[in-house]
Amino acid sequence: KAGVTQTPRYLIKTRGQQVTLSCSPISGHRSVSWYQQTPGQGLQFLFEYFSETQRNKGNFPGRFSGRQFSNSRSEMNVSTLELGDSALYLCASSLQGTSGGWDTQYFGPGTRLTVL
Amino acid sequence: AQSVTQLDSQVPVFEEAPVELRCNYSSSVSVYLFWYVQYPNQGLQLLLKYLSGSTLVESINGFEAEFKKSETSFHLTKPSAHMSDAAEYFCAVSDLQGAQKLVFGQGTRLTINP
Repeated sequence: KAGVTQTPRYLIKTRGQQVTLSCSPISGHRSVSWYQQTPGQGLQFLFEYFSETQRNKGNFPGRFSGRQFSNSRSEMNVSTLELGDSALYLCASSLQGTSGGWDTQYFGPGTRLTVL
Repeated sequence: AQSVTQLDSQVPVFEEAPVELRCNYSSSVSVYLFWYVQYPNQGLQLLLKYLSGSTLVESINGFEAEFKKSETSFHLTKPSAHMSDAAEYFCAVSDLQGAQKLVFGQGTRLTINP
């Protein structure tokens, strides 16, 4: 079974631009979570989508948004990029992720975003 | 809200020496606990997890961790380090209701010296 795939793997943008990152979960997985990894702040939870609905949200400004499609693929968008948005963005998928239970989260290799 | 503290940002050990990576958490509710490993230019891989039951959990490659509720700790150990264990290790928690939302520690870089 193919793992979580993220595209593109590397991206260079300039301040003020916007960017869209894509995540394809493992086949059959319905929950997709996004994390930001930076040297200073470490790994931080952005949001989670399940059945096309945002179910959990971290403490990020509204410039960070996401969505999930009916095939469970997910995209995240960052508008008006800032230098501090340079990071590795990781996507993770899990089977179901029902509240009160736990399903293993499988992580993709990430998209490395550099903002100049 | 939960928080995780990994007490060491870097841990150097010699090959075949024992390894201990420390993790403490803070939470007002019951939690699930995890250790993830990240190799260079790769995503995170789940190493082991504590959900319930036995407080000592093991991974397939010789790591183990013990959940000590009284000490709010979940330290990762291995009796003998291999060169292939060199990586960054992250401890994480989630509460039982927000199970897909992981709160990570800052990570510990494990280096293995020959």
